[in-house]
Amino acid sequence: AQSVSQHNHHVILSEAASLELGCNYSYGGTVNLFWYVQYPGQHLQLLLKYFSGDPLVKGIKGFEAEFIKSKFSFNLRKPSVQWSDTAEYFCAVGAGSYQLTFGKGTKLSVIP
Amino acid sequence: EAQVTQNPRYLITVTGKKLTVTCSQNMNHEYMSWYRQDPGLGLRQIYYSMNVEVTDKGDVPEGYKVSRKEKRNFPLILESPSPNQTSLYFCASRGLASSYEQYFGPGTRLTVT
Repeated sequence: AQSVSQHNHHVILSEAASLELGCNYSYGGTVNLFWYVQYPGQHLQLLLKYFSGDPLVKGIKGFEAEFIKSKFSFNLRKPSVQWSDTAEYFCAVGAGSYQLTFGKGTKLSVIP
Repeated sequence: EAQVTQNPRYLITVTGKKLTVTCSQNMNHEYMSWYRQDPGLGLRQIYYSMNVEVTDKGDVPEGYKVSRKEKRNFPLILESPSPNQTSLYFCASRGLASSYEQYFGPGTRLTVT
């Protein structure tokens, strides 16, 4: 079965700082990769996804993620965060079955 | 509007009192799933359903039941709730051709005292 690790439990940044959230997965075959975002008090929304092709994928709100197959990683990045990016971010992997496996999440707090 | 709805959104109940959380989707999705979200543990799958009358256990099924009598509905049943089932619950759905991308409901915050 696949597993997903998110390296940081809580990240605190000032506005305009750059963001990188780590995500590693364990699975040897073809994977579909996702980042979901959960704003305070809301449900999960899809931020971006990777199925195949260009390993650098762009999502909504200026986010992007890079799939590095050799490192089993799918890190999320944003060049300049805003206060409105304060949320919890979940990496998820779909592989080998119909299930999505989620990481434990990373809380991002952006200080104005 | 394509959506997944859950009811109720908030529920406070007592130990042992049976409850049902409803989930409905209007996208004709075959696959539906229930998750619980707990601080520091992320989302853990409780049960899922591949289609009508087809359900299976996820990672944390103990204490829960589900049914899938209609394609659009996937209720979560707690026959005898206990305080350790206090959590935030999400229903999700997807079409089987959509490569794992799931659409989530708004969540149900359950407190069992």
